[in-house]
Amino acid sequence: AQKITQTQPGMFVQEKEAVTLDCTYDTSDPSYGLFWYKQPSSGEMIFLIYQGSYDQQNATEGRYSLNFQKARKSANLVISASQLGDSAMYFCAMSPYSSASKIIFGSGTRLSIRP
Amino acid sequence: KAGVTQTPRYLIKTRGQQVTLSCSPISGHRSVSWYQQTPGQGLQFLFEYFSETQRNKGNFPGRFSGRQFSNSRSEMNVSTLELGDSALYLCASSLGGLTNRYEQYFGPGTRLTVT
Repeated sequence: AQKITQTQPGMFVQEKEAVTLDCTYDTSDPSYGLFWYKQPSSGEMIFLIYQGSYDQQNATEGRYSLNFQKARKSANLVISASQLGDSAMYFCAMSPYSSASKIIFGSGTRLSIRP
Repeated sequence: KAGVTQTPRYLIKTRGQQVTLSCSPISGHRSVSWYQQTPGQGLQFLFEYFSETQRNKGNFPGRFSGRQFSNSRSEMNVSTLELGDSALYLCASSLGGLTNRYEQYFGPGTRLTVT
């Protein structure tokens, strides 16, 4: 069975600082994908970044980077130079390649950026 | 390019009634997945449709069903509504091909309240 754990229910960060959101996962599948989504108060889930389990390099998308440590089964999201608009819920998620559409989500971290 | 649209955005129903939610995917996307989001259970995968066929299914009772039309639009039906079905129902679309990257784009969701 797959499981995603996000141990930070909420975080407060000063604007322009970098922030790391923690995510650990558990799976018996040898191949899988890891995702991060952002959910503002409007409710829509916004895709941020993807990391494949066989990718050698950490994924980056603009201000977002994924710190992938396969041996530790962790996939932390790093947001550089945080902005007020980054305030939202952030979900770490995973899907096995064998059933790629069946995405398992963590419980989320609520990030609040202070001006 | 238009995003994923869901209708209606808000819905209030009474216990025992049934409800149908609609999702129109991004043009060209053939896969539609449905998720239920509640404060207690978080985000849970309901099912996925690809080319009018259910390709994956989560662990929900048979009261939850869906279908997909030839234009890839999808509907989700919940029969005999229970109070616990109150949730935000999110639809996500993707190209659906058998690649190792399964980027899903979410709609704004339908917030269902059962009284």
